[in-house]
Amino acid sequence: GDSVTQMEGPVTLSEEAFLTINCTYTATGYPSLFWYVQYPGEGLQLLLKATKADDKGSNKGFEATYRKETTSFHLEKGSVQVSDSAVYFCALLNTGGFKTIFGAGTRLFVKA
Amino acid sequence: KAGVTQTPRYLIKTRGQQVTLSCSPISGHRSVSWYQQTPGQGLQFLFEYFSETQRNKGNFPGRFSGRQFSNSRSEMNVSTLELGDSALYLCASSLLTSGGEQFFGPGTRLTVL
Repeated sequence: GDSVTQMEGPVTLSEEAFLTINCTYTATGYPSLFWYVQYPGEGLQLLLKATKADDKGSNKGFEATYRKETTSFHLEKGSVQVSDSAVYFCALLNTGGFKTIFGAGTRLFVKA
Repeated sequence: KAGVTQTPRYLIKTRGQQVTLSCSPISGHRSVSWYQQTPGQGLQFLFEYFSETQRNKGNFPGRFSGRQFSNSRSEMNVSTLELGDSALYLCASSLLTSGGEQFFGPGTRLTVL
């Protein structure tokens, strides 16, 4: 079945460091891919998405490129801030599916 | 537009009791999904409803059930509570035309003693 694997956390970085959170997926067909973020005490919110191969999703300085050849959707940010501290979830929705599959989540701590 | 609302936000129950959680989706959203979030298991899909019909169900025992009303509001029920049911229960709504994006509520924190 469909699945999402993302790097285990926690990831601890200093402010202004470069961030990469790896995400790979297994799916039949052509899924849409998402990154969601969860701040403490809140529900998840969409950070960015890509719906087809080679699409790049971007938002708030975060980027991820849909790589079908490597079945990956890694999240990157050039310079993290303390306010980026949160849990990040990679997810996929397959064509015609009614169920979004989430990765286990990666907790990010950014130190001032 | 108001976001997804969930009530109550916090709940404490004892083993063997039952509980009902409520979710009001964003106006116009007809799809509602429920998830259980725990530190050990992450985010686990419970079920999804669209226009009062359950379209998909996760791998949870029959003690977990749900329904959706004609105004798209949804409830989930857990009967015969167990300690392991302690979790954050998240509801999400979506539009068919939103490209799969889900809008989450803040969750209901259930503690079973």
